[in-house]
Amino acid sequence: QSALTQPPSVSGSPGQSVTISCTGTSSDVGGYNFVSWYQHHPGRAPKLMIYDVAKRPSGVPDRFSGSKSGNTASLTVSGLQAEDEALYYCNSYAGTNDFVFGTGTKVTVL
Amino acid sequence: QLQLQESGPGLVKPSETLPLTCTVSGGSISDAAFYWGWIRQPPGKGLEWVAKISYSGGTYYNPSLRSRATISLETSKNQFSLKLSSVTAADTAVYYCARRHSGRVDPWGQGTLVTVSS
Repeated sequence: QSALTQPPSVSGSPGQSVTISCTGTSSDVGGYNFVSWYQHHPGRAPKLMIYDVAKRPSGVPDRFSGSKSGNTASLTVSGLQAEDEALYYCNSYAGTNDFVFGTGTKVTVL
Repeated sequence: QLQLQESGPGLVKPSETLPLTCTVSGGSISDAAFYWGWIRQPPGKGLEWVAKISYSGGTYYNPSLRSRATISLETSKNQFSLKLSSVTAADTAVYYCARRHSGRVDPWGQGTLVTVSS
């Protein structure tokens, strides 16, 4: 399985919105509604932010939202805050108990 | 609150076997609803699943590692383990243990850095 494609970096000023794309194929992102997103501050445990394309776990701010169109999933962070600066990874089911991660995106708060 | 903590040797010599253990607290690994597994991240690279196992015995191994990886549950200790044999420098990575439920991975451990070097 090839890694899902994410932009290496996105940036925005505090209060702005940024959107991270996650592009796969019809065998993963496009074929299942099992896309999840993870926030990773280096040295800390990655944190689940979105699952099943657009569901938010308890405790995750509603500034984080997910969506999917065709073979591309997206994570939008609205009202950007300094604490949102981190790496973000998408993950998708790819069939036969296989899951594939995205290449990762660095979000920078300017 | 469920927490996972990895433990491992930190440094392993080439061709040797890497042993990793994940200790689970705040919950039981004996729940058939979940898979317990290992994810790794080599320096400068992305995340990849190494292996996962369910209480019912179902396992998954990354095809590129299948012949070298063995994952197991130690229910009496509420732990699960990974052994990766014949390691090379390419196995140098931060190894995370995690719980998978349906389409999500949550929670994760903080990760342990394993370096393969003589």
